[in-house]
Amino acid sequence: QKEVEQNSGPLSVPEGAIASLNCTYSDRGSQSFFWYRQYSGKSPELIMFIYSNGDKEDGRFTAQLNKASQYVSLLIRDSQPSDSATYLCAAYSGGSNYKLTFGKGTLLTVNP
Amino acid sequence: GAVVSQHPSWVICKSGTSVKIECRSLDFQATTMFWYRQFPKQSLMLMATSNEGSKATYEQGVEKDKFLINHASLTLSTLTVTSAHPEDSSFYICSARGWTGLSQETQYFGPGTRLLVL
Repeated sequence: QKEVEQNSGPLSVPEGAIASLNCTYSDRGSQSFFWYRQYSGKSPELIMFIYSNGDKEDGRFTAQLNKASQYVSLLIRDSQPSDSATYLCAAYSGGSNYKLTFGKGTLLTVNP
Repeated sequence: GAVVSQHPSWVICKSGTSVKIECRSLDFQATTMFWYRQFPKQSLMLMATSNEGSKATYEQGVEKDKFLINHASLTLSTLTVTSAHPEDSSFYICSARGWTGLSQETQYFGPGTRLLVL
């Protein structure tokens, strides 16, 4: 059973701080990893993906991947109240059905 | 990012009626489309995966005769909830996967359809 684990939170950070969201996955064959943001009552929106070990930066977001530890993280710098949402981590393991395995999400609250 | 549309955004219907939800990838061809359901305060639940021109693959516990999926083209998939009942009331979200100019085939979500069955 492929699993993606996330701390459900809530994770609360002050405005301007760095928010760190973590994710572990069970399938060593996982090839790529995606971070989605879901605001309450809305559908998920893609933030970024990563498939190579190390860091990948996109604006205020940095994704980090450590395949040896089966660990993925998302850092949000200069957190804003508008970043308050549930963040979903997803792993893709290939295969004929192409489906992502999602974690249950971490609720982030950024306090003004 | 790529755009996936979904229509309608809201449906209120009487118990026993059928409801059809359309999902379109507007600016890319979707190799695969997915249908999810999400109840309030709960996680996304994958219902089925479909590829253009072939039968959908349903997740365990999802009734294929109740949730009919048609993937007519590389940009259009439909979900029909047949004989809907109040327990089918939920947030239905489609998702499309394809190449959108990025280095990785990527999955994007539609805005979702809220279904309320009275």
